Amino acid sequence: AQTVTQSQPEMSVQEAETVTLSCTYDTSESDYYLFWYKQPPSRQMILVIRQEAYKQQNATENRFSVNFQKAAKSFSLKISDSQLGDAAMYFCAVLCSGAGSYQLTFGKGTKLSVIP
Amino acid sequence: NAGVTQTPKFRILKIGQSMTLQCTQDMNHNYMYWYRQDPGMGLKLIYYSVGAGITDKGEVPNGYNVSRSTTEDFPLRLELAAPSQTSVYFCASSYSGVPPADTQYFGPGTRLTVL
Repeated sequence: AQTVTQSQPEMSVQEAETVTLSCTYDTSESDYYLFWYKQPPSRQMILVIRQEAYKQQNATENRFSVNFQKAAKSFSLKISDSQLGDAAMYFCAVLCSGAGSYQLTFGKGTKLSVIP
Repeated sequence: NAGVTQTPKFRILKIGQSMTLQCTQDMNHNYMYWYRQDPGMGLKLIYYSVGAGITDKGEVPNGYNVSRSTTEDFPLRLELAAPSQTSVYFCASSYSGVPPADTQYFGPGTRLTVL
């Protein structure tokens, strides 16, 4: 079974500063995908960024970037120039899908607070 | 384009009652999913569907049933509600299971309490 661990239940960051959220995972698959989702108080899940495990280059989306260390099975999210709207729960997830199977596993989440 | 819609937003059930959570998407997505989110936890996959007429179990299917008679609709059925099913339920959809088209779009969730 695959697992996802987010070791930081809560984090805080000053507005305009940078924060890094940690995620480690374990899977026996060689081909998989990694995601960070944001869940604001409205509860809707919003995709922040994704990374294909076969790609060595770290994914970036505007102020969001990842540090993907495949050998260490680590997938951290960096948020630069933090904004008040970034305050939310952040979930890391790993997806393995193939013929006849679909396994998407989420971590328990990290609550990010942004201090004005 | 409404995306993924879910009804109801809130519901309280008594133990042993039944109900259906509705989910509809208007993006012509083939894949649809049902998740539950317990307090302080990440989402867990209940069931998913890769197309009309095809459904499969996820991580926590016990106590639930699904059907997929159309591309748009993917209802989740609770037959005999139990307190352990108190949770927030999310429906999601994606065009396919193959990246990058597998990006999932989530509905707003249904908060269910079983007393």
